[in-house]
This record gives sequence, C-alpha cells and structure tokens, in this order.
Amino acid sequence: GQQLNQSPQSMFIQEGEDVSMNCTSSSIFNTWLWYKQDPGEGPVLLIALYKAGELTSNGRLTAQFGITRKDSFLNISASIPSDVGIYFCAGPVNFGNEKLTFGTGTRLTIIP
Amino acid sequence: EPEVTQTPSHQVTQMGQEVILRCVPISNHLYFYWYRQILGQKVEFLVSFYNNEISEKSEIFDDQFSVERPDGSNFTLKIRSTKLEDSAMYFCASRETSGGPYFGPGTRLTVT
Repeated sequence: GQQLNQSPQSMFIQEGEDVSMNCTSSSIFNTWLWYKQDPGEGPVLLIALYKAGELTSNGRLTAQFGITRKDSFLNISASIPSDVGIYFCAGPVNFGNEKLTFGTGTRLTIIP
Repeated sequence: EPEVTQTPSHQVTQMGQEVILRCVPISNHLYFYWYRQILGQKVEFLVSFYNNEISEKSEIFDDQFSVERPDGSNFTLKIRSTKLEDSAMYFCASRETSGGPYFGPGTRLTVT
C-alpha cells in the first residue's frame, strides 16, 4: 500500500532552535496535511496544503507542498517546550479518496 | 472553537463483548471518519461516512464493525464481538466539504 516516509524519525533539540522535517512518498499526492499528536491524545491539524509549490504558515510553523507532489516539508521556528510531540504528515491515498494515509512520524524532544 | 468530542475516554471490555464508541462531530461538518491507533503505531483508517452511508472502508473494517449516525449530532462505531487485537485508541474525525479532517481526543479501548 501507500507509504509515507518521514525523516528524521526523532529529533533532540534545544529550546529556541529551528526544526525541519520532511515527508516523502513514492506516489503523487494532491493534498498534504500535517498533524501533531501528544501522548494519549488525538492528532491536531496544523497545516493543510492543496497545491504543488504552496507555502503556508501557521504561527511559527511553515509547511510546503513539494513541486514534484511527492514530498512536503514542515519547519518550526524558535521551538518552545509545547512543541514536543510526534508530527505526522498525511494525505489521501488517491485523488478524491476519503482514506488518509499517515506517515511514520517524527518525534520531537526538547532537551532542557 | 468547535471540536470533535468522544465518549467514553476509556473503555474496558471482555473479549466477545459488544462495545459502542460515541462521537459528536463538529456541527456543520458533512464527512465523518473512524481511525484507530494501536499503541506505538501510526494512525490507521477504518471507515468514512457521508450522506448517511459508508463511502469507504478499510480491510480492517470487517463484519464485526458498524457505524451509525442515529441523529443529527452523534456518530457511533460498534464492534460486535471484541477481540484482544481490537485494543487500540479509536479516533473519530470530521470535516467540511474541503479541508483536512479534525480529530477527536480518542477512546482508549482495552479488551481483556
């Protein structure tokens, strides 16, 4: 089936640092979604991207829909403790398909 | 801000018993979903529901599973005869005509 690979798998950073993570697919996606999940809670939608090349910001978060439509990037600037969690990319398997495939996740940890 | 709500937050049941997980999607949303997440794994699609019928389901969603929108606000997932491997977090999600789905906080189902 569809596989979304995220890298890095985990990140250990200091508060105030910028963070970059990405998500790649072997197939073209028409929508990219970025979610954050805290332990024991549901995924929280951060950013949605709908067009190749699109760059969208949500506060300190910026995400881009790759030109090839096979990748997406999420950047977090000036990280703070509440940024800790697992970040997932997700997208519909096929155009018009309701089923979201989730990526493998990037776990962000902030070192005191 | 409107949000998806789910009850109960934790359900413990014995193998073979029926369980009903309840969700109240965001009020003006038209598309409804159930996903699940086994501990330590990524979120997996179960079923999507639109216009009072299932629009798509995964291979996980077999005859033991059913969904219902009994009134204008609730959306339920029933598992007829639970198995040990059904233990997971179950997330309800909803969305408008466009945009990424918003997830609820989840119900942790433990089958003993």
